Amino acid sequence: AQSVTQLDSQVPVFEEAPVELRCNYSSSVSVYLFWYVQYPNQGLQLLLKYLSGSTLVKGINGFEAEFNKSQTSFHLRKPSVHISDTAEYFCAVSGVWGGKLIFGQGTELSVKP
Amino acid sequence: GAGVSQSPRYKVAKRGQDVALRCDPISGHVSLFWYQQALGQGPEFLTYFQNEAQLDKSGLPSDRFFAERPEGSVSTLKIQRTQQEDSAVYLCASSPVEPPDTQYFGPGTRLTVL
Repeated sequence: AQSVTQLDSQVPVFEEAPVELRCNYSSSVSVYLFWYVQYPNQGLQLLLKYLSGSTLVKGINGFEAEFNKSQTSFHLRKPSVHISDTAEYFCAVSGVWGGKLIFGQGTELSVKP
Repeated sequence: GAGVSQSPRYKVAKRGQDVALRCDPISGHVSLFWYQQALGQGPEFLTYFQNEAQLDKSGLPSDRFFAERPEGSVSTLKIQRTQQEDSAVYLCASSPVEPPDTQYFGPGTRLTVL
């Protein structure tokens, strides 16, 4: 079984500042890792994913994340945020055999002018 | 191309009523998933189809919940005798490959049970 912990429920940050949203996971098997973003009253949009290969993955809207197997982490980063990045961000994991996603509780990113 | 679509987007039901929620996956996608997202929470898995076969229904919270995908494309999630605790957003996702890796989500159906 897998589990995901998002260490911060809310992250306030000023526009153009860097941000890191933290995600740790637990699993007894190899995993796929994902970050999704959810804007109000919308579904989940895929930001980026780690399936295999390079541990540094780049996604849409300038976001990137690094898979750290020894620390079982998959933190999301952006060097300079915009007001439009204000949203809920979810980290998720699945086993490499596929199947259901296990989500964290979400981190609310609030970008202030 | 068209993404995953869900209908209705909003549904209000009186306690005890039956509801049916529809999901149209991306054309050609083999795998289809249903998730339940309570207010302020992350989505939680309900059930999973590979084509028309329901391979995992371990997340369905009670026997009032039933899902089907009879022709391997459109899926319907049915909730019988709705209760207030069923109020949530129901998300559908599809994946083009089997076993599934990346899942693409629809906009969700917000169900409110009064």
